[in-house]
Amino acid sequence: ETGVTQTPRHLVMGMTNKKSLKCEQHLGHNAMYWYKQSAKKPLELMFVYNFKEQTENNSVPSRFSPECPNSSHLFLHLHTLQPEDSALYLCASSQASGGNQPQHFGDGTRLSIL
Amino acid sequence: QQQVKQSPQSLIVQKGGISIINCAYENTAFDYFPWYQQFPGKGPALLIAIRPDVSEKKEGRFTISFNKSAKQFSLHIMDSQPGDSATYFCAASKGNQFYFGTGTSLTVIP
Repeated sequence: ETGVTQTPRHLVMGMTNKKSLKCEQHLGHNAMYWYKQSAKKPLELMFVYNFKEQTENNSVPSRFSPECPNSSHLFLHLHTLQPEDSALYLCASSQASGGNQPQHFGDGTRLSIL
Repeated sequence: QQQVKQSPQSLIVQKGGISIINCAYENTAFDYFPWYQQFPGKGPALLIAIRPDVSEKKEGRFTISFNKSAKQFSLHIMDSQPGDSATYFCAASKGNQFYFGTGTSLTVIP
């Protein structure tokens, strides 16, 4: 059983909807990450949080808004998404950010934008 | 510019054979090179990782070979089994930045 849990597993939303993805890790890690996985493309790192503070934002459009209330929980708030945002969104955690730390991934949320 | 290039895109191997997946990277500052295995409907799981101060790391049937001068590293799966059928991703990182390859879909035929 994965130590990183993502909900929901599947989400279908219209372009004008507002929804949130949730990630929870039970591994005692201090760093959390959001990735986007699209077919035939490399995983794209979106955001990095270290001890609840955002340390990386890889030029992600503002229609994606992350929130990290504590080291165990990470959210991705979605609003006014585009069809090209349809993808698998993966959450990961590691002991700390800064490289050389294995990342543990959740099973993702499959997002479809109508 | 793609920081990590992975090949082949797909691979079919007979049971008991050796599976080899190759990756090349651009940035010599990368200092951590993990390989992940992903099954359908699941997130990637860390398989094995290497740092650039060693040329080879072996864990069971999985071996990473690392060539720092050529900026290349590869995953070798010995005695490949049908249960190894999955998508494999290489990655390279420095600090908070992780760059992944596009993945290799491995099918092991019984």
